[in-house]
Formats: sequence, C-alpha cells, structure tokens
Amino acid sequence: DIVMTQSPDSLAVSLGERATINCKSSQSLLYSSKNKNYLAWYQEKPGQPPKLLIYWASSRESGVPDRFSASGSGTDFTLTISSLQAEDVAVYYCQQYYATPFTFGPGTKVDIK
Amino acid sequence: EVQLLQSGGGLIQPGGSLRLSCVASGFTFSHYAMSWVRQAPGKGLEWVSTVSGSGESTFHADSVKGRFTISRDNSKNTLYLQINSLRAEDTAIYYCAKAGSSGNGVYFDMDVWGQGTTVTVSS
Repeated sequence: DIVMTQSPDSLAVSLGERATINCKSSQSLLYSSKNKNYLAWYQEKPGQPPKLLIYWASSRESGVPDRFSASGSGTDFTLTISSLQAEDVAVYYCQQYYATPFTFGPGTKVDIK
Repeated sequence: EVQLLQSGGGLIQPGGSLRLSCVASGFTFSHYAMSWVRQAPGKGLEWVSTVSGSGESTFHADSVKGRFTISRDNSKNTLYLQINSLRAEDTAIYYCAKAGSSGNGVYFDMDVWGQGTTVTVSS
C-alpha cells in the first residue's frame, strides 16, 4: 500500500500570512506515460463533507480561490495558501489515486494565530 | 447542479447488516466511477470502495473486503454499499463521492461528495 504522510500535523498562521502543508508518498505518484501525478488535496470543515481543492497535484478545482496553489511531483507535494483567510480554517488532506487502496494522509489542521 | 443524496445509515448491532444508498443527479451517472469514503469519530478519511462507471470493476479496502460490497444501478442513478458483519470499528460517517473525470478506469480524484450518513455499530 502507498503510505501518505503530511507535515506539520497542525499549524497556526496569522490572517493574511502564508500557510504551507507538505505531503509525501511512499512511492512515486507520477504516471510517466501520462505525465500526471495522481494526487489530490481536500479541505474538510466541521460538519461538512470534504471539498476537492486540487487534482493532478497542481490543477485547481473550479471555484477554488486562487490563493490555494499546489506543486510537487513524484513523492513530494505541497499545498500553499498564499494569504490565509478566516474561512480557510479546516483540516487539509492529501490523497493518492495512483493505486488501490487509495490512501489519504493523516490530515493537517490549519488555525488562525 | 451535480448532487449526491445519501440515505441508509443508523444504529446497528455488531454482526448486523445495512445498505447505504447514494442517489446521483445532474450528471451522466454511468460515465463516472463512484466511491465510498468513511471517517471514524475524531479520525481522518479512509477510502472504503470504488466501482467503475459500468459497474464491472470493484475495489475494496482490505479492512472491509469480504464484508462490504459496492454496487451501482445505472438505470436508477444510484450507488450502494452493502455492509455485512458489522464491527464496532465500522462506526463512522460514510460519504459517497463522484470521480472527477469520466471514462474507463477508477483512478481519479473525487470532486463531488454526498452529505454523509452516520453508521453506528453498538449493542
């Protein structure tokens, strides 16, 4: 199974400041023939279902504010919130869909400092 | 509007059975793989099962293999999860989710999620 890890477990950032979350997979998520990384990022707020933010490692889902961006390839990935807003307080998960069982990272909780 | 409306959760005794349903609207259901993901109380997200658009291919997590069965009825735009031999550790909110891209295969992100249904296993 592909193991997903995230760091940090939690972080507190001042409003308007940058938040960075790292995600690492135990094997490469790059499907070479398609040149795509099979990685997604989700945002989960209390009492709500998860929301897709990013797919193919760096493609922003429609309607997601452009302060959310993501990068990375192979085994190392990053989600960045360029200017944290109050509504961004949530838990963020990375997930690989390169191979079953599809696996999620443990989540990173983002709070306001 | 793309929507997934879930039903079927509840309080079940250990060893019991349950069927979860997820009715889809707003997209061509048969063109998309569908999945179930669960979240135990206070825990993270856990992928449970995925079925291809045609229903021919299914995949299950080892933790549920042999007890859970994912299926779909494309004529009814409905996804199912049959859950048997329930255990306390199956207590969770169960979400259905739609694949982010259409086509063959199951290797996609999940772009639309149902509202979740709670399954509680307790005597």
